[in-house]
Amino acid sequence: DVKVTQSSRYLVKRTGEKVFLECVQDMDHENMFWYRQDPGLGLRLIYFSYDVKMKEKGDIPEGYSVSREKKERFSLILESASTNQTSMYLCASSFPVNSPLHFGNGTRLTVT
Amino acid sequence: AQSVTQLGSHVSVSEGALVLLRCNYSSSVPPYLFWYVQYPNQGLQLLLKYTSAATLVKGINGFEAEFKKSETSFHLTKPSAHMSDAAEYFCAVRGAFRSGGGADGLTFGKGTHLIIQP
Repeated sequence: DVKVTQSSRYLVKRTGEKVFLECVQDMDHENMFWYRQDPGLGLRLIYFSYDVKMKEKGDIPEGYSVSREKKERFSLILESASTNQTSMYLCASSFPVNSPLHFGNGTRLTVT
Repeated sequence: AQSVTQLGSHVSVSEGALVLLRCNYSSSVPPYLFWYVQYPNQGLQLLLKYTSAATLVKGINGFEAEFKKSETSFHLTKPSAHMSDAAEYFCAVRGAFRSGGGADGLTFGKGTHLIIQP
């Protein structure tokens, strides 16, 4: 079974802090994704990566950056956390071309 | 651009009754469609996928969905609801390929919360 592991289930950070969300997958997937999930808005794509050191913006990249130094690890970075970034963050991975996404259990981030 | 509309943010059915969750999509490329389920405090789990083979797709837990191109729909059904089906359900469509060779992530609907009445 594919395993996508997000390092934290819950995080509480202060406004202005730099925040790192880590995600690791164990299936040698090329593609990795970061989504945020908010009530009534569904899931929205922040960034994705289809190869090491490659990244592309999703629909809502503002205020975020990503890093993919190794194939199995994809990090989401909040350069200066703000209260409107309080959300559930979901990492996912997949093989290329129309494969389903496999999700981690999510990180619930609260910014105060 | 791709988009997904799920009709009804909340659907309530009685245990044993038919479950019908509606999903309509728009896509600029041949669509690949997915249904996911999310139980409380968990990530999303794949229920089923349509990838241009049979139009009636069977998934896990007794769910199935039918792709109807003329209606741009991919509705999810289950003949008899069980209490354990209570969860959030998301319909998603694959994004188009971007330049550079990478595949987009999925575009998701806003979700339908399924409530099962005893």
